[in-house]
Amino acid sequence: KAGVTQTPRYLIKTRGQQVTLSCSPISGHRSVSWYQQTPGQGLQFLFEYFSETQRNKGNFPGRFSGRQFSNSRSEMNVSTLELGDSALYLCASSFEAAVMNTEAFFGQGTRLTVV
Amino acid sequence: AQSVSQHNHHVILSEAASLELGCNYSYGGTVNLFWYVQYPGQHLQLLLKYFSGDPLVKGIKGFEAEFIKSKFSFNLRKPSVQWSDTAEYFCAVILAMDTGRRALTFGSGTRLQVQP
Repeated sequence: KAGVTQTPRYLIKTRGQQVTLSCSPISGHRSVSWYQQTPGQGLQFLFEYFSETQRNKGNFPGRFSGRQFSNSRSEMNVSTLELGDSALYLCASSFEAAVMNTEAFFGQGTRLTVV
Repeated sequence: AQSVSQHNHHVILSEAASLELGCNYSYGGTVNLFWYVQYPGQHLQLLLKYFSGDPLVKGIKGFEAEFIKSKFSFNLRKPSVQWSDTAEYFCAVILAMDTGRRALTFGSGTRLQVQP
């Protein structure tokens, strides 16, 4: 079956702009989590959605937001982009809520560059 | 704050050498533990996981990890590495966030370079 699909793969934006990233989970998976990966900070948890509800949120400013649709697809939005937002944004899906007791499957990520 | 620590940031080994990557976490409750691998240009993949039972866990590609509760550790091992094991390895633990909810928390990663 198809894996986790993230679009677009690459993005270049300028400071101050906003961006929307998309994630389609594996069919049947209802939990979607987002992570920011940078060389300095590693993988940091952004938020997690389950059945269209945000169940958990990491320590990121309010400029980072997300949502999940009824088909479990999720979007992540970053407003007022800063240079430090340049990173690989990863999406993970799992069957159960909060990836507890189950495996999280990751997409290939969206590489965001802010100039 | 609860955290996951990987002390080896960059490891260079020759083929056939043995590997051990350290992972420690700070959490006193029940934990679910994972090791993920990210090969160059590829997505994160699960190597192995521990939820309960035998603390020695076997994973894919000859990897194994041992959960030592008294040491809060979950070290990854492989008896004989291959060039194809060159990748970045991440330890992950389901930990409680400041919100009180639990989330998959990653260590900073260890870059393994295997020389032929």
